[in-house]
Amino acid sequence: QKEVEQDPGPLSVPEGAIVSLNCTYSNSAFQYFMWYRQYSRKGPELLMYTYSSGNKEDGRFTAQVDKSSKYISLFIRDSQPSDSATYLCAMIDVYKLSFGAGTTVTVRA
Amino acid sequence: EAQVTQNPRYLITVTGKKLTVTCSQNMNHEYMSWYRQDPGLGLRQIYYSMNVEVTDKGDVPEGYKVSRKEKRNFPLILESPSPNQTSLYFCASSLIAATGGGHEQYFGPGTRLTVT
Repeated sequence: QKEVEQDPGPLSVPEGAIVSLNCTYSNSAFQYFMWYRQYSRKGPELLMYTYSSGNKEDGRFTAQVDKSSKYISLFIRDSQPSDSATYLCAMIDVYKLSFGAGTTVTVRA
Repeated sequence: EAQVTQNPRYLITVTGKKLTVTCSQNMNHEYMSWYRQDPGLGLRQIYYSMNVEVTDKGDVPEGYKVSRKEKRNFPLILESPSPNQTSLYFCASSLIAATGGGHEQYFGPGTRLTVT
């Protein structure tokens, strides 16, 4: 069983819709929880990170962590065609990082 | 410009022919790591390094070697490549988690390797 599970999608939504992405994990030692965005033919870039359970908002993006359920989410409000990318959840246990498989999102104009 | 560079960007080779993929960062980061990305499997960590001369295995280290003789460089070595090592490889660097920086990995542009 993988340490981090993420539905690979793909997900296709109309412009302006709310995009909901999520991951589950099994390692209680994970400390930081991150979301990376990867455009085609590019390396991943950090989008958001959280350290503890709760919500964190940054513009149209909201990250949620529920450590008791070992579940993290990313919401994208008012989605734009420029949000079309692969979104990867990631978690870090001191030095070792684990990534989800990534969810490919397409926002249709 | 702060960046992670990888070379080569594309490589086609034959089974058993030793190769090295170079990685260099100019941000004075302690932590560097290598990942491979395969469809449906996402990013999997191959090796990581906490500092010069300190390395450790990630999730999929078999068939790979690394060395960290200088802080800025972290080459990935495939001594006898096989077709199952055909993949997209990324190098990344960051500050270390102990100082609150491990969450922000800076990725290189990727190296697409094909082993025939």
